[in-house]
Amino acid sequence: NAGVMQNPRHLVRRRGQEARLRCSPMKGHSHVYWYRQLPEEGLKFMVYLQKENIIDESGMPKERFSAEFPKEGPSILRIQQVVRGDSAAYFCASSELAGDYNEQFFGPGTRLTVL
Amino acid sequence: AQSVAQPEDQVNVAEGNPLTVKCTYSVSGNPYLFWYVQYPNRGLQFLLKYITGDNLVKGSYGFEAEFNKSQTSFHLKKPSALVSDSALYFCAVRDTRKLIFGAGTRLAVHP
Repeated sequence: NAGVMQNPRHLVRRRGQEARLRCSPMKGHSHVYWYRQLPEEGLKFMVYLQKENIIDESGMPKERFSAEFPKEGPSILRIQQVVRGDSAAYFCASSELAGDYNEQFFGPGTRLTVL
Repeated sequence: AQSVAQPEDQVNVAEGNPLTVKCTYSVSGNPYLFWYVQYPNRGLQFLLKYITGDNLVKGSYGFEAEFNKSQTSFHLKKPSALVSDSALYFCAVRDTRKLIFGAGTRLAVHP
């Protein structure tokens, strides 16, 4: 059973470009979470999605960031017009159920570098 | 709001000695607490969780954690540390379906 897949693993963008990060949850998991980790810091929640629905986006910056989880295909985190402060590791996690007691399984992350 | 605190940035332990990585929590309602480990340039790996029941929770790789309600703590422990345990450890609390993480504690186990 493959784990959570993320690609690309490393992404370099110049300021003003767009970044697209992809996440395929574990088989059978329909709940996806995105977190951001700045250097030497813990992970910060960004957004929680179920298939075709955004459930909680309380951690998403109001501008330039968007996320989707279509009926078919991976979840996408999109960052428009990237700035240097967007440089971070972005982790996706998935869970089978939505209950508070269910652990989330994390992917290897995408490390975004903005030049 | 739910939160966790990891008071130590780094913990140094000699191989073979017991280790403890500290975590305290602040929650309204029942706490759902988790420990994850992160190796360099890797994602987080789930170690263990406390939902209810026994205060001593056993997890992966020989780790365990002790839930203490009166001290609002959930310390991670291992009886005998290995050099391969050296990594970044995160305590987390569930808050309406998302995880709130502590800042992390770097564990260094010396031969």
